[in-house]
Formats: sequence, C-alpha cells, structure tokens
Amino acid sequence: KAGVTQTPRYLIKTRGQQVTLSCSPISGHRSVSWYQQTPGQGLQFLFEYFSETQRNKGNFPGRFSGRQFSNSRSEMNVSTLELGDSALYLCASRSTEVNSPLHFGNGTRLTVT
Amino acid sequence: QKEVEQDPGPLSVPEGAIVSLNCTYSNSAFQYFMWYRQYSRKGPELLMYTYSSGNKEDGRFTAQVDKSSKYISLFIRDSQPSDSATYLCALLLYGQNFVFGPGTRLSVLP
Repeated sequence: KAGVTQTPRYLIKTRGQQVTLSCSPISGHRSVSWYQQTPGQGLQFLFEYFSETQRNKGNFPGRFSGRQFSNSRSEMNVSTLELGDSALYLCASRSTEVNSPLHFGNGTRLTVT
Repeated sequence: QKEVEQDPGPLSVPEGAIVSLNCTYSNSAFQYFMWYRQYSRKGPELLMYTYSSGNKEDGRFTAQVDKSSKYISLFIRDSQPSDSATYLCALLLYGQNFVFGPGTRLSVLP
C-alpha cells in the first residue's frame, strides 16, 4: 500500500506570497491532518479534515487554511507568508478505526525569504 | 507544566548498546501511546502503538507504559547506526488531538 504522499518536497517563497501544499493520504484513509514542525516548537497541529469537513483546528492564524476533496486528497494554503512560516509541513492520514494512529508523509520544506 | 516532556538529548551510545528513551506526561486520562522515529529530512514513521500498561515487543524494540506513574519508555536492543534518528512519543486521548513530545535525538556510534 502506498504511503502518504506530499508535494512538493521543497519550496522557496518570499514574504507576502502565498503557497499551496498538497497531500494524498493512504488509500482508504479519510482523515487527513496537517502539522507544522520547527526546531523550537516541535510538532504543532494545524487542522484535521474528515470527509471534506474540518473536524479540528489548532491555534494558527486565519492565514493558514485547508480543504479536502471527495477523494480524500487535501491541500493546505498559507497566504501572506511571513519569515516565521519557514518550517517542515507534515501531512498525516489515519484510518476510520477509532483511535487509530497517524501515518505521516515526508513533508514539504517551506523556506520564506 | 507541559503536557508531555521528553529529554531532547542528544543521546550518544556505542553500537550494540541498549537504549532507553522516555516520556512523562501530566494528564492521566491519556489512553493511547505511540513512538515515532524521524530521520533527517523525512516524516515521522510509526514504530509502536499501544494502549495498555505493560510491555509490547516488536523485534529489537520494546514499548513500556506505566499509567500509574504517567511514564512511557522505548527500549532499543542491540542498537545500530541506522537507529540514529529523532524519536518522538505521542499520546492520544479518546476523541481528542494527538499530543507529541519534543523528541529525543539519538546517535548510535559505530
């Protein structure tokens, strides 16, 4: 079974621009979560989508948004980029079994200059 | 007090050593416990998943949960240079979000 796929792997953007990251979950997984990982803050939860609906949201500003499509693929958008948005953005999917663990992709490394 | 605490390391051990990685947590309601391994420039990979107190073995890895002490451990036997990575503990409360430890960086020296 193919794992979680994230594209692109690397992105360099300038302040003020916007960016869209893409995630394809493991086949059959309908829950997709997004995390931001930085050396200082560790893994921070952005949001979770299930069946095209946002189920949970972390403490990030409205510049961070996401959506999920009917095939469970998900995108995350960050508008008006700031230097502090430089991070590894990880997507994770999980099965519909109650309390199943997360399975992560290899992330998108975003650098904002 | 942070929800989950984990010694950030780095922890350096010689090849073949037994490694002990630990997390402590403050909320006794956590029910599910995971360990992830993350190599540089990769995403976290699920190593162990358990929900009961006691030990769970998988090859060279043993996950130990002590709910009464709010303490979880991951033991690696016969450690190899390929085990060099950052190890993250993760906890889950039923119906809530996952909570991750900050990770421990492990280096196994040949």
